Amino acid sequence: SAVISQKPSRDICQRGTSLTIQCQVDSQVTMMFWYRQQPGQSLTLIATANQGSEATYESGFVIDKFPISRPNLTFSTLTVSNMSPEDSSIYLCSAETGTGYEQYFGPGTRLTVT
Amino acid sequence: GQNIDQPTEMTATEGAIVQINCTYQTSGFNGLFWYQQHAGEAPTFLSYNVLDGLEEKGRFSSFLSRSKGYSYLLLKELQMKDSASYLCAVRDRNKLSFGAGTTVTVRA
Repeated sequence: SAVISQKPSRDICQRGTSLTIQCQVDSQVTMMFWYRQQPGQSLTLIATANQGSEATYESGFVIDKFPISRPNLTFSTLTVSNMSPEDSSIYLCSAETGTGYEQYFGPGTRLTVT
Repeated sequence: GQNIDQPTEMTATEGAIVQINCTYQTSGFNGLFWYQQHAGEAPTFLSYNVLDGLEEKGRFSSFLSRSKGYSYLLLKELQMKDSASYLCAVRDRNKLSFGAGTTVTVRA
């Protein structure tokens, strides 16, 4: 298994600003992902964070809006850029260890944009 | 594309059994997962099926029929702490697509 931490746990931001969310895993992992979960809804994959190369984005998500870094096998960041109230959501990081296909999730970052 | 359907809500009595069904139509298939999510918390992994049949883990069991695009999660001897949302997710290559989740409420 893997233990995942995220910072910040929550934030309230003004529209037009940007927020960077950090995700730290307690061990080296093969895959890291970023999801969004809007209130009362299920998880939507934003992108796969690739170590040493550009992230792979899902349909509807673009790098200019959600730049992602993954400098090593235990850490990744997601930036939510030029925020609007529609970006208010919970952002979750997850990871696969490579020993199995299950993903382990971080506690999430609750973002409110005013 | 991915289409994953599960009931929105289910209610059951403490000590009873509840079965949550999930049907899927996906472009690829590398396994089906069930996750539990308590309100305000992150999803936690419950089970994984890649071959047809039943996988049992304590009070929780999960079944898969690939030919029918169907899975279920069986929760036995329900406890109050089992009140949560249960998410069905299909893996396609290295990506998970989630259903909308089934909120299970356990009543005393």
